[in-house]
Amino acid sequence: GAVVSQHPSRVICKSGTSVKIECRSLDFQATTMFWYRQFPKQSLMLMATSNEGSKATYEQGVEKDKFLINHASLTLSTLTVTSAHPEDSSFYICSARPRTIGTSYGAQHFGDGTRLSIL
Amino acid sequence: DQQVKQNSPSLSVQEGRISILNCDYTNSMFDYFLWYKKYPAEGPTFLISISSIKDKNEDGRFTVFLNKSAKHLSLHIVPSQPGDSAVYFCAASRGGSNYKLTFGKGTLLTVNP
Repeated sequence: GAVVSQHPSRVICKSGTSVKIECRSLDFQATTMFWYRQFPKQSLMLMATSNEGSKATYEQGVEKDKFLINHASLTLSTLTVTSAHPEDSSFYICSARPRTIGTSYGAQHFGDGTRLSIL
Repeated sequence: DQQVKQNSPSLSVQEGRISILNCDYTNSMFDYFLWYKKYPAEGPTFLISISSIKDKNEDGRFTVFLNKSAKHLSLHIVPSQPGDSAVYFCAASRGGSNYKLTFGKGTLLTVNP
């Protein structure tokens, strides 16, 4: 249980292109979904938090116009990197927090990430 | 300001022995502490968590200990298996903040056969 699917797993595209990444919770409804970015040999850095039907909350220093987040349903959130440039190349990971927590206190379940490479 | 710290970037143990991964935190407002395991090119996998009102939680080979006075937690894996080799992330969250996770930098565990 608690499977999160992230698609695509890898994207290579030219500078200036916009790229959309999908995150789906397959077997549970997610109250909240999160988007992270990971640089090489660094920890996961939270970019934004999204709740279904409301605007995303972005962390300090994250450009909301560059990273558009849509949380259309309790099982789907999308991250669009607009007009991507080489410095946006990174590993992007989404996670979802189930509506019912049980004993897994505060746990989020992660997708397998998207490796974005901008040429 | 790094609120969750994993001071050992790597740890190597023999198969069958105990692995102890450590984590320190600075924010006393954290409600929950979690451990994740991550293989290369995959997302983190949730392992085990503990509420701040408890001092121990056990699940099979994995046990998490929390020492609130020292702001320290540890993950014990007994017995260690080669398949446990991965990067382990410590994370903490506050219930009032949408359960946002703050991660440590991770510890690479290598279990040698």
